Amino acid sequence: KQEVTQIPAALSVPEGENLVLNCSFTDSAIYNLQWFRQDPGKGLTSLLLIQSSQREQTSGRLNASLDKSSGRSTLYIAASQPGDSATYLCAPTPGNQFYFGTGTSLTVIP
Amino acid sequence: NAGVTQTPKFRILKIGQSMTLQCTQDMNHNYMYWYRQDPGMGLKLIYYSVGAGITDKGEVPNGYNVSRSTTEDFPLRLELAAPSQTSVYFCASSSRPENTEAFFGQGTRLTVV
Repeated sequence: KQEVTQIPAALSVPEGENLVLNCSFTDSAIYNLQWFRQDPGKGLTSLLLIQSSQREQTSGRLNASLDKSSGRSTLYIAASQPGDSATYLCAPTPGNQFYFGTGTSLTVIP
Repeated sequence: NAGVTQTPKFRILKIGQSMTLQCTQDMNHNYMYWYRQDPGMGLKLIYYSVGAGITDKGEVPNGYNVSRSTTEDFPLRLELAAPSQTSVYFCASSSRPENTEAFFGQGTRLTVV
């Protein structure tokens, strides 16, 4: 069974800082890994999807990396903004389903 | 496209009552999922479907039932509601989970009293 851990559980940073969120998973036999954003009381929105054959994926100020063999992924957020405040979840996908970590709650202070 | 639509958004049930959470998607996705999210916990998979007429259990299926008669709809049935089923329920869909993103509904917040 895939176990997903996200560190830190919560993070508070001043606006403009660059930051890194970490995700580790126990089963490296995955097709891809997604990073999602969840705003309070809302559903999840996919931010980035990295295929198992890729090392990095970028979208705007977001950059996600994947090291499948070591079971690790990171989400790098550049020049953070208050609008980035949300919970970020990673989800490795071994096949038919998605496994989720408990997320990192990010607060960006103006 | 509306994406994934869940109804209702909120519901309070009494212990022992039954209800159906509705989920529909307009993206012609074959894969659909039901997750529950409890405070401080990750999302746990209840049931999923890889196409019309095909469903399978996830990690926490007890107390729930599903059906998939069409590509668009994937309702989740709660029989004999229990306080342990108090949670936020999310429906999701994907065309091919091995290489495409998943889309989530806005969630149904259920309280069993």
